[in-house]
Amino acid sequence: DAGVIQSPRHEVTEMGQEVTLRCKPISGHNSLFWYRQTMMRGLELLIYFNNNVPIDDSGMPEDRFSAKMPNASFSTLKIQPSEPRDSAVYFCASSPRTNSNQPQHFGDGTRLSIL
Amino acid sequence: AQKVTQAQTEISVVEKEDVTLDCVYETRDTTYYLFWYKQPPSGELVFLIRRNSFDEQNEISGRYSWDFQKSTSSFNFTITASQVVDSAVYFCALSGSGSARQLTFGSGTQLTVLP
Repeated sequence: DAGVIQSPRHEVTEMGQEVTLRCKPISGHNSLFWYRQTMMRGLELLIYFNNNVPIDDSGMPEDRFSAKMPNASFSTLKIQPSEPRDSAVYFCASSPRTNSNQPQHFGDGTRLSIL
Repeated sequence: AQKVTQAQTEISVVEKEDVTLDCVYETRDTTYYLFWYKQPPSGELVFLIRRNSFDEQNEISGRYSWDFQKSTSSFNFTITASQVVDSAVYFCALSGSGSARQLTFGSGTQLTVLP
């Protein structure tokens, strides 16, 4: 079975540009999570969805960040406008049910560099 | 609030040595779940184990073993006869019950196994 698929794997862009990160969760999983990993802050949750509905977006840093899940097989995380401090690795994860004892399975991440 | 502490930032061992990675957690939930993830140099996050708060039985999987001690709020991870391929960052994580679906990660332990 395919795991969580993220694209692109790497993104380099100039500050001020719009960035869109994409995620395809594992088929049948109905919880989806976006995390950000930086040296300073480690792994932190940005937002998560259950059944395509955003449940907790308290980790989204500011209004420049937005996330959508238009259907069960696709989610996007958008940054507009991007800033150098947004440089990080962004992970998407999914889990089978809205039950916290199910492990989250992570994609390979998107390494984002904002110049 | 939930918190996971991995006090060991970096550990270096020589191949075939045993090594224990420490994890201490804090939570007010009576039902919670603990996880270990591995992040090799390639960057992906790999799920290793899940343990729920009602199951204090220790687990062994090949060279890996986990020691869950509820009395000390610890969930330590031991690698026996370490190998160079075990070199990675290891994260301990916690999720609660109820609405707290997200993972709270520790800061990670960088394990280097030298040949």
